[in-house]
This record gives sequence, structure tokens and C-alpha cells, in this order.
Amino acid sequence: AQKVTQAQTEISVVEKEDVTLDCVYETRDTTYYLFWYKQPPSGELVFLIRRNSFDEQNEISGRYSWNFQKSTSSFNFTITASQVVDSAVYFCALNAGNKLVFGAGTILRVKS
Amino acid sequence: DTEVTQTPKHLVMGMTNKKSLKCEQHMGHRAMYWYKQKAKKPPELMFVYSYEKLSINESVPSRFSPECPNSSLLNLHLHALQPEDSALYLCASSQDRYTRLAGKNTQYFGPGTRLTVL
Repeated sequence: AQKVTQAQTEISVVEKEDVTLDCVYETRDTTYYLFWYKQPPSGELVFLIRRNSFDEQNEISGRYSWNFQKSTSSFNFTITASQVVDSAVYFCALNAGNKLVFGAGTILRVKS
Repeated sequence: DTEVTQTPKHLVMGMTNKKSLKCEQHMGHRAMYWYKQKAKKPPELMFVYSYEKLSINESVPSRFSPECPNSSLLNLHLHALQPEDSALYLCASSQDRYTRLAGKNTQYFGPGTRLTVL
């Protein structure tokens, strides 16, 4: 069975603070893919990143960075110097076949 | 261009009405999905179409009827809905070329239709 756990229900930070969103996953498959999506108040799920199970390189894209650690089954997401526009719900998801399994989501509130 | 469009943005309907939600993509994707999302919850998969054929139905009640007229279009026909069906309905698409590594396919989502059933 596949499972994704986002233990942080809600995080509040002040603008310019760094924030890390945690994601822990469970799967018995050796080939799988991990995703992060952002859902702003408008409702659309915006794709941020995909990582496959064979690539443990960390990735940085502007203020966003992702840390994938297979040994701990974690795929954490860090926003550096947060901005108000980062306020959204962030979902971590796992796909080992044709289905995306989502975590419960983390609400991020960035205050000015 | 990773755009998936959905119409209408908002829909209010009575329990006896018949309405349809529409989704369109022009990325050449061959898999399309319907999700239902209740407030403060993650999206829940309803249906998957692969190459215009229904491949997954997550035991969705028959008052929801999907249709895939062609590879770019996906409809969701609604009839005799209940107030608890009020939710955000999201459409997504993906390439679905790699049948063995299907998990590789990134799903791109539309903006959703906010449905209210009175």
C-alpha cells in the first residue's frame, strides 16, 4: 500500500523566514515518483516538482529546494525567504502506477 | 504550454437538475482524470480515462457519469446530486505513454469547478 504523511497541518511564518514542509512516504515499490503541488486559494493545483526513486540529488529552483532521502523515505520542501504569495496549501504525492496518492496537505500562511 | 481548462468555474444546481462539467487540454496527453476535493482535504480520484477509454472508476455513484468524446475533451455529467456532492471538481491530464512506468507521468490540473448542490 502507498501512503504519504504530511504531519504539519498548518505553518505560519513571517515574510522572509525560511520554512520547511515535511513529507514522509511509504511504498513497497522500487520504482516510484514523488511530487509536490501548490494549491493557492484560487483552487488550481500547480505542479512544482517530480522526483524519481533513483535520483537522490537535491534540487534547487529559485527560492525553492527539495531534499529527497530514500533512507528515511522523506521528500522535504524548503522555501527560502518566504513571501506572502507563497501562502497556499502544499501537497506531497506519490505515484507508483496510475494513481497519485496525496498527503493531507500543509497549509502555509506567510504574514507580512 | 501546460494548460488544462475547465468550465464553468462555478456551478449552483438543484438536486433535480442535470448539468455537465467540461475539461479540455491541448497538450497531446492521452490520459485524463476527474478528482473531487472537499474543503481542507486532498483531491480524491474519481475516474481515469486512458486513450479515450475508461480505465479506472473509483466506485463513484452513478449520478456522476464521465464521458471522453475525444482525446482533448473530458466531460462529467451530473444528475440527481446530493448536497454532500458539493465540492471542487478538478480535471487533470498526463502523457500516459509509459505504460510500464506510468507513475512517471506528471498530472497537470485545471483550475477546477466549484459545485454547490442545493
